[in-house]
Amino acid sequence: QVQLQQWGAGLLKPSETLSLTCAVYGGSFNGYYWSWIRQSPEKGLEWIGEINHAGSTNYHPSLRSRVSLSVDTPNKQVSLTVKSVTVADSAVYYCARGGRSAGGPADYWGQGTLVTVSS
Amino acid sequence: DIQLTQSPSTLSASVGDSVTITCRASQSFNSWLAWYQQKPGQAPKLLIYKASTLESGVPSRFSGSGSGTEFTLTIGSLQPDDFATYYCQQYNSYSGLTFGGGTTVDI
Repeated sequence: QVQLQQWGAGLLKPSETLSLTCAVYGGSFNGYYWSWIRQSPEKGLEWIGEINHAGSTNYHPSLRSRVSLSVDTPNKQVSLTVKSVTVADSAVYYCARGGRSAGGPADYWGQGTLVTVSS
Repeated sequence: DIQLTQSPSTLSASVGDSVTITCRASQSFNSWLAWYQQKPGQAPKLLIYKASTLESGVPSRFSGSGSGTEFTLTIGSLQPDDFATYYCQQYNSYSGLTFGGGTTVDI
């Protein structure tokens, strides 16, 4: 049974850096891409990017300049960093297991982390 | 980017009804389209991938079809557990994977 558990700061001020980590329990880690997806009432579901065990990444074009994904393969963890956040970055952030190749569907999801950006 | 437009945005139905949700793409792509179900306070759940392949454990009353720019999700006989919001997602574009705006199925 694959489980994803995520954590990170939920309240940020504008211009601060958002950092979230997702740990994978059960199943194979090396065989998949791991995605970050966020959801807000304003933008709906928005894919942020994905990373695999070797560190190969793909990013949403509109977020590429501020987003960084990293991987800790021995500990089966992936992390998301978003620099210079604004109110528009307020959303529920999810990590999810993608496909065995880049761009696959997300079949397992974390519980979600509500991130609020407010001054 | 490929844009996905779902219709209708809201659908009112009753238990036992058959319902169809449509997802239209701004440009043609191969059939690497997925459908998700989301209930309030929960993460989305994968129902269908590759346009018509049922995810393991998903009831057979869910079915998907389509190709090119038009795809559909059909729920054969609505059950109380099916009242939720449904999203399509295309995942064959490395300029960005995108979701549709969602269709809420309510009573």
